[in-house]
Amino acid sequence: GENVEQHPSTLSVQEGDSAVIKCTYSDSASNYFPWYKQELGKRPQLIIDIRSNVGEKKDQRIAVTLNKTAKHFSLHITETQPEDSAVYFCAASTGGYQKVTFGTGTKLQVIP
Amino acid sequence: DAGVIQSPRHEVTEMGQEVTLRCKPISGHNSLFWYRQTMMRGLELLIYFNNNVPIDDSGMPEDRFSAKMPNASFSTLKIQPSEPRDSAVYFCASSPRTGVYTFGSGTRLTVV
Repeated sequence: GENVEQHPSTLSVQEGDSAVIKCTYSDSASNYFPWYKQELGKRPQLIIDIRSNVGEKKDQRIAVTLNKTAKHFSLHITETQPEDSAVYFCAASTGGYQKVTFGTGTKLQVIP
Repeated sequence: DAGVIQSPRHEVTEMGQEVTLRCKPISGHNSLFWYRQTMMRGLELLIYFNNNVPIDDSGMPEDRFSAKMPNASFSTLKIQPSEPRDSAVYFCASSPRTGVYTFGSGTRLTVV
């Protein structure tokens, strides 16, 4: 089955700096890569996703990149703010009704 | 839409008791997933259903755990008998064919 590895497990940045979280996946058939943000005590919520026919996608201060050849994808957050502090999960799926496999999460702390 | 609805939000029970967690998915979502989240193991997929049919229950830890989806609008996860190591937050999520998950607010289970 699919295996998703995520790094780093914790990340501290100064407010205004950029943060990058990296993930690798094992199943070359995976074609859907969502990212979820989980604030303390809350549910995971989708913040951005990318499909395999696209190499990069941006939404305001966040962007995701995908390298299918190397089987890795990354989340980039620019101009970080304290409200970006949360646990971020990457995930991969072969799409359709198939299950999504999550990474182990990255705890991001933005220091004011 | 009210989103994915889980009940109860919190459950405290004594070891050996039966626990039933409930989930109402978003109307029109064909897939339903049960996850368990702990600090040690992160987000673990327990079981998922497509069109009310269990597809993969390989994540169910042992026979004490069972899940049902009698119709498209309701699912239960039952633990009988419960043990202290079952203490965790249990999330239900649903998705349409796009694979975009929406999580419920979770049930925080404490077994004493």
